[in-house]
Amino acid sequence: GAGVSQSPSNKVTEKGKDVELRCDPISGHTALYWYRQRLGQGLEFLIYFQGNSAPDKSGLPSDRFSAERTGESVSTLTIQRTQQEDSAVYLCASSLVGGRGSSYNSPLHFGNGTRLTVT
Amino acid sequence: AQTVTQSQPEMSVQEAETVTLSCTYDTSESNYYLFWYKQPPSRQMILVIRQEAYKQQNATENRFSVNFQKAAKSFSLKISDSQLGDTAMYFCAFMKTRHEKLTFGTGTRLTIIP
Repeated sequence: GAGVSQSPSNKVTEKGKDVELRCDPISGHTALYWYRQRLGQGLEFLIYFQGNSAPDKSGLPSDRFSAERTGESVSTLTIQRTQQEDSAVYLCASSLVGGRGSSYNSPLHFGNGTRLTVT
Repeated sequence: AQTVTQSQPEMSVQEAETVTLSCTYDTSESNYYLFWYKQPPSRQMILVIRQEAYKQQNATENRFSVNFQKAAKSFSLKISDSQLGDTAMYFCAFMKTRHEKLTFGTGTRLTIIP
């Protein structure tokens, strides 16, 4: 079956422009995450969607960052007025969550990421 | 807040040898999950192994095993009979049982030398 798909694979943009990154999760996965990975560093949590619940936006670094998800399908991460420090790989992941009260946490399935370069 | 520490930025080992990657974490939770993910140059994060904190037995997946020391908050990964395809970044990660956000360490770059 298809895995998590992200597009574009690479994006080069000029400082000050807006960019939109797309993530198609695995069909049936209710949870979707966005992470940022700067060069040579670990993964930094940005935002988490779970079904119809309010998203956990606690990791978004500034109000220039926003994300949306349509139901349990595609998600877009938007960065407005990009800055050079936004240059990173943006990784999306999805998982099948067991639901409230469940002790089962399924592993995250990651996409190949979008490498964003702000010049 | 949880923190995950990987104190070895880089490691290298000869093919067929055994290597151990270290990971420590800090949490006040009593029940949680720990993971090791592998990230090859393709950038995709691949789950290697997972451990549930309430289980005493160390998880094993073929050549990969963990040494989980709950009291010491240590979760090391052992790779036996290492292969060239094991060359990658390895990330240790923590997840609360009922809050599915993963917290990652900074990673260890592992190189298998032919």
